Amino acid sequence: AQTVTQSQPEMSVQEAETVTLSCTYDTSESDYYLFWYKQPPSRQMILVIRQEAYKQQNATENRFSVNFQKAAKSFSLKISDSQLGDAAMYFCAYRRYNNNDMRFGAGTRLTVKP
Amino acid sequence: DSGVTQTPKHLITATGQRVTLRCSPRSGDLSVYWYQQSLDQGLQFLIHYYNGEERAKGNILERFSAQQFPDLHSELNLSSLELGDSALYFCASSEQGNHEQYFGPGTRLTVT
Repeated sequence: AQTVTQSQPEMSVQEAETVTLSCTYDTSESDYYLFWYKQPPSRQMILVIRQEAYKQQNATENRFSVNFQKAAKSFSLKISDSQLGDAAMYFCAYRRYNNNDMRFGAGTRLTVKP
Repeated sequence: DSGVTQTPKHLITATGQRVTLRCSPRSGDLSVYWYQQSLDQGLQFLIHYYNGEERAKGNILERFSAQQFPDLHSELNLSSLELGDSALYFCASSEQGNHEQYFGPGTRLTVT
């Protein structure tokens, strides 16, 4: 069974600084996808970034980037130039290549201090 | 706005009752997924439908059932409700062969 672990229940960052959220996962598959979702107080689930396991290059979306370490089964999210609007719960998620079912971690609550 | 709609936004009901949650996927999406998010927890996958057929089941209780209709909207039926069923229920949809799932705003169910 695939599991996703987010070891940081809460994190905080100063506005304009950089923060890294950790995620590890357990799988015996070689092809899969990893995602980071953001859930602001509105509770809407918003896709932040995705990574295909077969790609060695780390995904980047504007201020958001990942550090994907396949051998270590690690998938961290780096948020640069943090903004007040980045405050939210962040969920790491895993999906097998031929399976659309996503498995989510427990989430990390990010606070951004002005 | 993801394009996925869910109704109702909020639902308050009593233990033992039955409710139906509705989801309309994004235009063109054939896959619908249901997730349950209990208070301050991650999302638990419940069930996946593709073009009217059940494709996968997760941690879905026997008291829960779902279906996807010919117009691709989906309904999640929750029966014999218990206090522990209080949660946010999300629907998500995706295109065939696409990897991202787009989430609706959720239905908050409160069982009293």
